[in-house]
Amino acid sequence: GNSVTQMEGPVTLSEEAFLTINCTYTATGYPSLFWYVQYPGEGLQLLLKATKADDKGSNKGFEATYRKETTSFHLEKGSVQVSDSAVYFCAARGAQKLVFGQGTRLTINP
Amino acid sequence: EAGVTQFPSHSVIEKGQTVTLRCDPISGHDNLYWYRRVMGKEIKFLLHFVKESKQDESGMPNNRFLAERTGGTYSTLKVQPAELEDSGVYFCASSQDIQAATDTQYFGPGTRLTVL
Repeated sequence: GNSVTQMEGPVTLSEEAFLTINCTYTATGYPSLFWYVQYPGEGLQLLLKATKADDKGSNKGFEATYRKETTSFHLEKGSVQVSDSAVYFCAARGAQKLVFGQGTRLTINP
Repeated sequence: EAGVTQFPSHSVIEKGQTVTLRCDPISGHDNLYWYRRVMGKEIKFLLHFVKESKQDESGMPNNRFLAERTGGTYSTLKVQPAELEDSGVYFCASSQDIQAATDTQYFGPGTRLTVL
């Protein structure tokens, strides 16, 4: 089955810093890939997604590119804000169910 | 359009008691999923309904867990009897068309279950 490995946290950055959260997957075939975010006190929200190789998902200044050759889907943002503080989850969908990474807690200090 | 809703938001029960969690999917979504996150670990799949039928229940941990989706609308997840290791956050998600590569699962806010 599919598996997802995510960069371990917690990650603490200063405002306006560059962010990368690594995510790699193992799968048979080519799963759709997702980043979900959980803000404090809230549920999971879809942040971005990519459904095939070389696709780039983007939203709210975040980007991730589906890299088949490295089986990766790293999350990046050029300049983070305090409001980006949350837990970020990488996920892969093969047939139907999602397989998640363990989550990365991100804290942005002003 | 209303999102996925879950009730209750938080439940605290004692070991051996019964708890029932409810999920209302987005209207028109035939697919309904249950997931849970235990003790800060990864979110794990529990089961998947297509309308009222269980499509995949490979993630259900044991027979103390019973999920139903009568009429193909809302779903309930009952834990009976609850054990300490059942504590965690239970998420429900729904999606419209699993045949499409672009199908997206939309999650509810979760129910935090604490078993004492």
